[in-house]
Amino acid sequence: SQQGEEDPQALSIQEGENATMNCSYKTSINNLQWYRQNSGRGLVHLILIRSNEREKHSGRLRVTLDTSKKSSSLLITASRAADTASYFCATSSGYALNFGKGTSLLVTP
Amino acid sequence: DARVTQTPRHKVTEMGQEVTMRCQPILGHNTVFWYRQTMMQGLELLAYFRNRAPLDDSGMPKDRFSAEMPDATLATLKIQPSEPRDSAVYFCASGLGEETNEKLFFGSGTQLSVL
Repeated sequence: SQQGEEDPQALSIQEGENATMNCSYKTSINNLQWYRQNSGRGLVHLILIRSNEREKHSGRLRVTLDTSKKSSSLLITASRAADTASYFCATSSGYALNFGKGTSLLVTP
Repeated sequence: DARVTQTPRHKVTEMGQEVTMRCQPILGHNTVFWYRQTMMQGLELLAYFRNRAPLDDSGMPKDRFSAEMPDATLATLKIQPSEPRDSAVYFCASGLGEETNEKLFFGSGTQLSVL
């Protein structure tokens, strides 16, 4: 399986701090995506980075991709309490999109 | 807003009963995925369809699970007979993918409890 693995499993920070989550995967990919899941809800797409890209920004999100190390990171800057959620990376090397087990982020006021 | 609609949101049933979960993908999307989420296993891919054709259902226990797309507006996941270990949240997602999958839109899930 080319399922990604997120690290850390859980992260607790205060509002205003930055949050960094990492994802490692095993096989070559076409793209890597990050999703967010609030408790009791479905996943919501945040950002997609293609295998030929190294960095991408979207608002307070910054994603990096290192295909030589088979890893990606998601940085959330100036975090807010509303960012509390689980964050998943998903890898695609064909038709299927496979998810890791996620990082649970808690942002306290 | 276009969204993926799943029904029912919650289902409690007894072991041995048939369970059918339904999903209405976003109009115009050509890929549909079924995922199962548990604390232990995370998100497991059960099946996916492209242009209504099943491309892979290797993640499903074949003896009891079946997935179909009778038309472009409806995908179904059926469990017969259900077992307590099937208790999980089942998500449907749709997307507009060409050769590789772009972003997916998820429904709110069906929380299944098998007693």
